[in-house]
Amino acid sequence: EDQVTQSPEALRLQEGESSSLNCSYTVSGLRGLFWYRQDPGKGPEFLFTLYSAGEEKEKERLKATLTKKESFLHITAPKPEDSATYLCAVQVDYSWGKLQFGAGTQVVVTP
Amino acid sequence: EAGVTQFPSHSVIEKGQTVTLRCDPISGHDNLYWYRRVMGKEIKFLLHFVKESKQDESGMPNNRFLAERTGGTYSTLKVQPAELEDSGVYFCASSQGQGFNTQYFGPGTRLTVL
Repeated sequence: EDQVTQSPEALRLQEGESSSLNCSYTVSGLRGLFWYRQDPGKGPEFLFTLYSAGEEKEKERLKATLTKKESFLHITAPKPEDSATYLCAVQVDYSWGKLQFGAGTQVVVTP
Repeated sequence: EAGVTQFPSHSVIEKGQTVTLRCDPISGHDNLYWYRRVMGKEIKFLLHFVKESKQDESGMPNNRFLAERTGGTYSTLKVQPAELEDSGVYFCASSQGQGFNTQYFGPGTRLTVL
């Protein structure tokens, strides 16, 4: 059975304190791995798509990497506005594009 | 460009009543997806339309849920009759081209069944 597991469940950071979030997956035939950011009361906001092991994508203070078993979302020198829930989701080859989500990591960045 | 919109933003109904949720995808997006998050669990897939056709409805929980996409534009998700366990946030997403492209999400509809 396909599984997507995110850790930690919650993360509290001081402003400027870099850290990484983990998304481990067990799927047959990964088509793509997606990172989304979700603010309270809003829908998931697209951040990155990764397709193959070794791939990296960057956007401002965020950098996503992918291996054959997991993905990391690195937050460098975070600011309070980076506080959000970060969601990882996978698409597999035999699906029609549906996303399978992890439970998310809630990040709080304090000044 | 307007994003995915959903209506209503919040609905409170009693058990046994009917509720209809609406989703307007990004213009030109052939793929439309419904997802939901219940009781603090992860977001789960419900179904996928390509234009007006149901491509994958493997996530629909039971026959109390009916989804339609008239003319390949907006979509509705009807729950009839609603049960307590249907409470949660229902998200709609859309994507262009092939089904594996990036999905853009709406703000969600929070459904509370009392």
